[in-house]
Amino acid sequence: EAGVAQSPRYKIIEKRQSVAFWCNPISGHATLYWYQQILGQGPKLLIQFQNNGVVDDSQLPKDRFSAERLKGVDSTLKIQPAKLEDSAVYLCASSSERTPAGELFFGEGSRLTVL
Amino acid sequence: AQTVTQSQPEMSVQEAETVTLSCTYDTSESDYYLFWYKQPPSRQMILVIRQEAYKQQNATENRFSVNFQKAAKSFSLKISDSQLGDAAMYFCAYNTDKLIFGTGTRLQVFP
Repeated sequence: EAGVAQSPRYKIIEKRQSVAFWCNPISGHATLYWYQQILGQGPKLLIQFQNNGVVDDSQLPKDRFSAERLKGVDSTLKIQPAKLEDSAVYLCASSSERTPAGELFFGEGSRLTVL
Repeated sequence: AQTVTQSQPEMSVQEAETVTLSCTYDTSESDYYLFWYKQPPSRQMILVIRQEAYKQQNATENRFSVNFQKAAKSFSLKISDSQLGDAAMYFCAYNTDKLIFGTGTRLQVFP
């Protein structure tokens, strides 16, 4: 079974530029998560999708971050314009109703550096 | 608000020895789940072990076991017979409607 795929693995941009990250969850997983992991901190949930609907986006900075999950499969997380403090690893994870609560399958992450 | 605290930023252990990683959490809920996740360098995070709060018996997965003290809101991870491949960041996490992570403990394993 293929795991959660993310791209790009690394991205360097200057502040005020835009960036987009892509995630393909495990096949059949209805729930998709985007986490932000700043260096030295634990992952923080940005947004959770159930199929193509948003379940929780309470910690998503909506003035600059957006995410979508068209057709309930792949997802894209966009940052525009980027700030220095957005430098972090962006983790995508997925789960299904068959997996125990809280057991998420993570991708390798996309590391963003904002200069 | 639920919080998860890992007070040990770094720990080290000799190969084949035992190490315990600490975690405390704060919640007013009575039904929840607790987890330890492992994040090797530049690799994806994977689940190590999970514990349901309603279960008094401590979870065990091969060399990994937990000491769950519900009243004290403590959830420590014991790694027995440590191996070089155990070197990683370890995150304690709490879940009711969403997964909340601690700040992590970096574990080094020395030969």
